[in-house]
Amino acid sequence: EAGVTQFPSHSVIEKGQTVTLRCDPISGHDNLYWYRRVMGKEIKFLLHFVKESKQDESGMPNNRFLAERTGGTYSTLKVQPAELEDSGVYFCASSQEGNTIYFGEGSWLTVV
Amino acid sequence: GDSVTQMEGPVTLSEEAFLTINCTYTATGYPSLFWYVQYPGEGLQLLLKATKADDKGSNKGFEATYRKETTSFHLEKGSVQVSDSAVYFCALTTDSWGKLQFGAGTQVVVTP
Repeated sequence: EAGVTQFPSHSVIEKGQTVTLRCDPISGHDNLYWYRRVMGKEIKFLLHFVKESKQDESGMPNNRFLAERTGGTYSTLKVQPAELEDSGVYFCASSQEGNTIYFGEGSWLTVV
Repeated sequence: GDSVTQMEGPVTLSEEAFLTINCTYTATGYPSLFWYVQYPGEGLQLLLKATKADDKGSNKGFEATYRKETTSFHLEKGSVQVSDSAVYFCALTTDSWGKLQFGAGTQVVVTP
């Protein structure tokens, strides 16, 4: 069974550019989460989808970040325009209700 | 709000040494507690968990006991291997949806 997959694994962009990160959850998982780890700090929650609906987006840092989950399948997280402080690792995770949360390998974003 | 504090790293030790990583938490509710591990080049993996006081989670030789009186969930392993080199994250959730609050992570380096 395929795990949570994320693309791209690494991305280097200039300040002011746009980046879109994609996450494919484990098939059949209704819950999809985005987390972020800024260098050396804790992993912070960004938002949570249940199917295609945003259940909780309290962790989204500002309106430069936009997350979507088309048809309740894969999800994208767009950063526009990117700032230096957006650099870090973006983790996607998925779960079935009440069960273990499975994480992807992360997308490493560097803004220069 | 909820928070997790874990000892700073890196922790460097020799193969077969005893490992302890301290983790303490504050939570408004009655949390479930987790240890996640990130091996080099891989995603976050659930190592072990405990859902109520005095529960002991265990996996791959690692153990952690949910101590409500000291609000702690320290991770221990009696004899580490080089393959245990990784970053270890303590986490909690008080959310029925499983939203996780992470500590900052502790890097462990095991030398032959």
